[in-house]
Amino acid sequence: SQQGEEDPQALSIQEGENATMNCSYKTSINNLQWYRQNSGRGLVHLILIRSNEREKHSGRLRVTLDTSKKSSSLLITASRAADTASYFCAPSGGSYIPTFGRGTSLIVHP
Amino acid sequence: DVKVTQSSRYLVKRTGEKVFLECVQDMDHENMFWYRQDPGLGLRLIYFSYDVKMKEKGDIPEGYSVSREKKERFSLILESASTNQTSMYLCASSFPGGIYGYTFGSGTRLTVV
Repeated sequence: SQQGEEDPQALSIQEGENATMNCSYKTSINNLQWYRQNSGRGLVHLILIRSNEREKHSGRLRVTLDTSKKSSSLLITASRAADTASYFCAPSGGSYIPTFGRGTSLIVHP
Repeated sequence: DVKVTQSSRYLVKRTGEKVFLECVQDMDHENMFWYRQDPGLGLRLIYFSYDVKMKEKGDIPEGYSVSREKKERFSLILESASTNQTSMYLCASSFPGGIYGYTFGSGTRLTVV
């Protein structure tokens, strides 16, 4: 299984600002997913982007995928305090087993 | 509302005890997974199952076993708990290929003393 690596490890912004998180991976994928984890809880699925897609939107979320660079980014626009959480990417290859890195810890200050 | 339910939110066990962590999903998912999450290490895959009575080792299976006798239930077993198994344990499930994403339980925080 391969692991996504999120960058930065920590991000601190003010409410209303945009937050961008990046993910890199090593081998070819079928899809890549982003998840959010509130402190001490399980992960919540945010968005899935397939390997043949380049960009996907869901509400205030925008995900891009560049398979040539083996990287993805998650943009949260107009951040809110409730967006404070850890964010994980999960690249999924031939085995379709999602693997997770250490995540990006996002703090949005009111 | 579809869900994955983990039997305990918090659990304290003694070293050497046999520990069962239960996970039940109501989405008719074929695939089920067990992860552990530790600070600085992220989520690590322990075991997964593609179907009833099937199991596959993940990245860190040592010290663990699993059981899947029914489609909706996937149990993680610590045969003889040790302090280094103190962790947050997360169960997840999905349809084949994970094409609609993975649904996670709320987690079980296990402390072995």
